[in-house]
Amino acid sequence: EPEVTQTPSHQVTQMGQEVILRCVPISNHLYFYWYRQILGQKVEFLVSFYNNEISEKSEIFDDQFSVERPDGSNFTLKIRSTKLEDSAMYFCASSVMGSSNQPQHFGDGTRLSIL
Amino acid sequence: DQQVKQNSPSLSVQEGRISILNCDYTNSMFDYFLWYKKYPAEGPTFLISISSIKDKNEDGRFTVFLNKSAKHLSLHIVPSQPGDSAVYFCAALLRGSNYKLTFGKGTLLTVNP
Repeated sequence: EPEVTQTPSHQVTQMGQEVILRCVPISNHLYFYWYRQILGQKVEFLVSFYNNEISEKSEIFDDQFSVERPDGSNFTLKIRSTKLEDSAMYFCASSVMGSSNQPQHFGDGTRLSIL
Repeated sequence: DQQVKQNSPSLSVQEGRISILNCDYTNSMFDYFLWYKKYPAEGPTFLISISSIKDKNEDGRFTVFLNKSAKHLSLHIVPSQPGDSAVYFCAALLRGSNYKLTFGKGTLLTVNP
C-alpha cells in the first residue's frame, strides 16, 4: 500500500539553527499537510498546501515556518531559527483531494529535538 | 483549546469483547468526523469516518456513532483483538474547511488476550 515517507526519523538541532524536514507524499495525492505533536499534547494542524500555494495555516505557522514543494515528489517544512519549544513530532500528511471524504494519510513522523 | 475532547486517557478490554471509545466536541461547526489509530513510532492511520448528516457508519469490526444533539461520537470495535491495542484519536473537520483536522488527545486502548 502506498505510504507517506518522512526523513529523517529523528533530527537534533541547536537552538537558532535552521532545520528542514522532508516528506514524500503518496504519488497521486494533490493536497499536503504538516502537523505537529508536542510531547503529551494533541496533534496540531500547522499548514495545508495545494497547487504550490498554502491553502490554510494555523496561528502556530508564523514567519519562522515555510513550506515548499521543490520538485514533483518532495514536500518540505523549514523552520528558520529553531526555538526550544519547536521540539515535537512533526507529521506530514497527504490526501487525494481536499474534500472531507478523502482522508488524510500520515507519515511516521520526524522527531525534532532542539538543544 | 478543547474543541475535541477524549476524556478517557486509557481503556482496557478483554479480547473478544466490545471496545467503546468516546469523543465529545464543542464546536457545532464541525461537520465531519474521523477516527485514527496510532501505534508507537508510527503515524496516525485512518480508520473510519462519518459525516454529520449520518448517525452511524460501519466498516467491518468498526462502527462509529454520531449523536449531534449531544455533540458526541463513539467508536465501537467488535470483537476486540490484541492487534487493536493502540492510541485512538478522534478528529474533526470544520464546515467550509477540508484541510484542518482538529484532534482529541487520544485514548490508549489495551486489548488483553
